[in-house]
Amino acid sequence: EDQVTQSPEALRLQEGESSSLNCSYTVSGLRGLFWYRQDPGKGPEFLFTLYSAGEEKEKERLKATLTKKESFLHITAPKPEDSATYLCAVQAADTGNQFYFGTGTSLTVIP
Amino acid sequence: EPEVTQTPSHQVTQMGQEVILRCVPISNHLYFYWYRQILGQKVEFLVSFYNNEISEKSEIFDDQFSVERPDGSNFTLKIRSTKLEDSAMYFCASSHNRGAYEQYFGPGTRLTVT
Repeated sequence: EDQVTQSPEALRLQEGESSSLNCSYTVSGLRGLFWYRQDPGKGPEFLFTLYSAGEEKEKERLKATLTKKESFLHITAPKPEDSATYLCAVQAADTGNQFYFGTGTSLTVIP
Repeated sequence: EPEVTQTPSHQVTQMGQEVILRCVPISNHLYFYWYRQILGQKVEFLVSFYNNEISEKSEIFDDQFSVERPDGSNFTLKIRSTKLEDSAMYFCASSHNRGAYEQYFGPGTRLTVT
């Protein structure tokens, strides 16, 4: 049973074309939801932590939001350097410290 | 800025051989993890380690795997007898504390088993 589902699998945007990535989760007792960026052949790079529904975090062109069932990563006026795979991970209260990752959304921003 | 480092970046080994993957976590972090990512698949949890013992492990982490913190800085993952299906990227991560704290990942070791 998938605990974290990300959509879309791939997204191509023109530079400046804003969009949102989705992360749906089904865990009991969410302890935290984490967004990471992963470049090809590299390790995940931490972006945001969200703890409770209604919370929002921002960093440059990225904004992450959280509801009781899903999280969105909004990308405003993206640039080509935003091209990467964006990963969502959740940590549940009953499964210790381990992270459950989604399969990611591969974002390509075309100049 | 402190970061997690891993060596080697790429390891090629023959089936049945033992490999040791090395990691240096961020210096003031207390919790250490290993994850793997098979090509094209999701990042999967293997094991977490705290206070010189395993605190959690997944079904993937069977008797072929072991972890160790041999000194004050290194954290290692050993695979005793590698199989073809062990080919993957292996990521080490560390966090300052337990609970909902972000984990910082290293650049990974690409393990290729032939």
